[in-house]
Amino acid sequence: GAVVSQHPSRVICKSGTSVKIECRSLDFQATTMFWYRQFPKQSLMLMATSNEGSKATYEQGVEKDKFLINHASLTLSTLTVTSAHPEDSSFYICSASPGTGDQPQHFGDGTRLSIL
Amino acid sequence: QQQVKQSPQSLIVQKGGISIINCAYENTAFDYFPWYQQFPGKGPALLIAIRPDVSEKKEGRFTISFNKSAKQFSLHIMDSQPGDSATYFCAASKNSGYSTLTFGKGTMLLVSP
Repeated sequence: GAVVSQHPSRVICKSGTSVKIECRSLDFQATTMFWYRQFPKQSLMLMATSNEGSKATYEQGVEKDKFLINHASLTLSTLTVTSAHPEDSSFYICSASPGTGDQPQHFGDGTRLSIL
Repeated sequence: QQQVKQSPQSLIVQKGGISIINCAYENTAFDYFPWYQQFPGKGPALLIAIRPDVSEKKEGRFTISFNKSAKQFSLHIMDSQPGDSATYFCAASKNSGYSTLTFGKGTMLLVSP
């Protein structure tokens, strides 16, 4: 089946640093990628939708200058958490879709971000 | 406004029993209804999905029942096993799965040995 790889799986860093998370579709071209945030025992909250070669569309309340998204190729999207603070600590998950036909979204295994 | 309501929040089932999780949606434009299974520390994995043109879909021990007029759909896990213990999310989207998914709040299932 389709595989989406997310890296790193876990990152711990100091407050004020920037963290980049990569999301790769390994066996299909992902026209659209989605970034979610998930708090403990809660559902997935969509942060933004990115289409290859264009600017990401952010959900209401998500700071675009805080969470920079780049989708430069059909197999890679990146989420950069800039000047991270403890309140940014969370589980970040990406998903990817070919964007055509009856193809569901496939999710990565998430990145556990801990800001000290 | 929560567009997909999921219940129960948590569920305990004995091994071999049937686990049933229900979801209701409001937006009649939704045309794709997947269920995802998530283990701790992992991303959600697609379990099974249905479109509104069928009332039931079965894959192994997992069955989705869909009631278009009531705007409800449910997941049935037959012969539940301890390995099924996970959090289950229903979701809905327009224009197949490649559009934005609206998730339910999740159900934590525990299958006791």
